[in-house]
Parts: sequence; C-alpha cells; structure tokens
Amino acid sequence: GENVEQHPSTLSVQEGDSAVIKCTYSDSASNYFPWYKQELGKRPQLIIDIRSNVGEKKDQRIAVTLNKTAKHFSLHITETQPEDSAVYFCAAGYQKVTFGIGTKLQVIP
Amino acid sequence: NAGVTQTPKFQVLKTGQSMTLQCAQDMNHEYMSWYRQDPGMGLRLIHYSVGAGITDQGEVPNGYNVSRSTTEDFPLRLLSAAPSQTSVYFCASSSRTGQTSPLHFGNGTRLTVT
Repeated sequence: GENVEQHPSTLSVQEGDSAVIKCTYSDSASNYFPWYKQELGKRPQLIIDIRSNVGEKKDQRIAVTLNKTAKHFSLHITETQPEDSAVYFCAAGYQKVTFGIGTKLQVIP
Repeated sequence: NAGVTQTPKFQVLKTGQSMTLQCAQDMNHEYMSWYRQDPGMGLRLIHYSVGAGITDQGEVPNGYNVSRSTTEDFPLRLLSAAPSQTSVYFCASSSRTGQTSPLHFGNGTRLTVT
C-alpha cells in the first residue's frame, strides 16, 4: 500500500514569512495529491490539489509542487497570516487514500 | 446539500459495548471511507467503499465492521468497544473519477471508551 511521509511535524513562522511543508509517497500508481487544512476542533478541508500531469499549481498565496520522478510534493504558503495557523495534511493513494502525519503550523503575529 | 452528515457528535461507551456510527452523504458520491484521528498519528484509514455492495479494509480495520447497502449510507460498527478505540472518527466521501477527486469530510464523532 501507499506510504506517505510528511515533515516537519511542527513549524513556527513570523507573520508575513513563507512556510514550506514536504511530503514523499511510495506508490508510483498514485496520481492525485491533495492538501487539507484542519483547524482546531474542525474537520479537514481541501485547500489545494495537484494531479500527476502537472508540476505546479497556485491559488493566491498557496502553491503546490510535484516531482513524480522523486515521488515528492510540497505545499508553499507565502505571506503567512495568523489565520493560516492550523494542522496541514498531505495525502496520496489510488483507492486507499493515505495521509501524512500532519504539520502543525503556527504563525506568530 | 448537507454534504456528509455524521451522527452522533459525541459518544461515551463502556468496554465491551457495541455501537454504530452513522454516516450519510447527499452528493451521490460512489467512494466513502472511515478514518480515525489520534494525536500525533494523523488520519488512519479504517475501511472504505468504492460503491454500493463493495467494501474493503484500510490500515486499521480490526474491531470495526462496515456495510454499504446504499450509495448514501456507510455505517461503521464497533463490535466490542475497547479503550484503544477512543478517538475522533471521520467519515469522508468522494466522487469516483479515477480516484482523482478530493475527500469531503463529515464533522466527526468523538468517541470515548471507558
């Protein structure tokens, strides 16, 4: 099955700085790589995703990059704001969608 | 659309009791799944279903049963609750387009087993 590794597990940044979270996956059959944001006490919600035929995707301050050869993908958040503070999960997998362990991002005002 | 609806929101069980966590979606999604979330361990897949009448095991299936008699419903049954099953449980669904669609999560059920 799929194995997804995510790091770092915690990340503190000053407001306005950038944050980068990285994930690696093991199953070369995986072709869809979503990122979810989970605020405290809430459900995970999709913030951005990328498919295997694309190398990079941007949505305002958020971007995701994918390197299929190396089997890794990354989330980039620029100009971080306090409301970006949350836990972020990457995921991969064909039918068994596997999540990374999560990254707790703290944006310090 | 209500999306994915989970009931109950909170539940306390005694060791050995059984119960069913309910999950329903109104988006006509073929794919449904159950995850448990424990501190420091992310979201772990319990069971999933790619359509009515089809279910399969995930990463941590022991102690749980599922069935999928309709497209809308995917209940999770705890056969004999154990303290190790104390967790937050999320149901999620997705449209089956080559498994390249995002998961839509319910609001979760917080289960405590004493």
